Amino acid sequence: DGGITQSPKYLFRKEGQNVTLSCEQNLNHDAMYWYRQDPGQGLRLIYYSQIVNDFQKGDIAEGYSVSREKKESFPLTVTSAQKNPTAFYLCASNPQQGDYGYTFGSGTRLTVV
Amino acid sequence: AQRVTQPEKLLSVFKGAPVELKCNYSYSGSPELFWYVQYSRQRLQLLLRHISRESIKGFTADLNKGETSFHLKKPFAQEEDSAMYYCAPPSLGGGYNKLIFGAGTRLAVHP
Repeated sequence: DGGITQSPKYLFRKEGQNVTLSCEQNLNHDAMYWYRQDPGQGLRLIYYSQIVNDFQKGDIAEGYSVSREKKESFPLTVTSAQKNPTAFYLCASNPQQGDYGYTFGSGTRLTVV
Repeated sequence: AQRVTQPEKLLSVFKGAPVELKCNYSYSGSPELFWYVQYSRQRLQLLLRHISRESIKGFTADLNKGETSFHLKKPFAQEEDSAMYYCAPPSLGGGYNKLIFGAGTRLAVHP
């Protein structure tokens, strides 16, 4: 069953800690994206990647980092520098440049305690 | 900066009534626009794209370049249409196919 898997579904972090959110896809998609979803603000782009070992900052990259060592995987690290990390994080992918039809994961809800 | 505006946070209608979810974007001439939908307890998914000019689940969306709008319409709403709807034009520049998303409109269809 092809798709995008995000884990964990819920994540709790203490202030000052870094945490990593997992995103894996078996769709053979080239491009992958991380969005942050806050109530009333829609989805905001954090980072995106079109090919392995290449990624670009989105609109709200500060306090986040990513890697793209494999085509299937695009983990997001929320660092202690992120001032307001509590949010719902969505990972998405699409097959090739010019095709904007995204496939989304089910999301990870991160809460800072 | 590019912006996409969905002016209504909540749209509440009765079953069988017409529905129009508004979307305005801040730049003109976009070659492609999308509507995504998120039903309760489901993933965000593509509903329809402008370039295909198709009707999905009875919904259509017309691009009005003069008004920079891409409103989503359905003549007769059904209860199963209740969901969160996001308008998504592409983000210009950078050579990547990234989308920007509006804040979303929650559609509630009552029996």
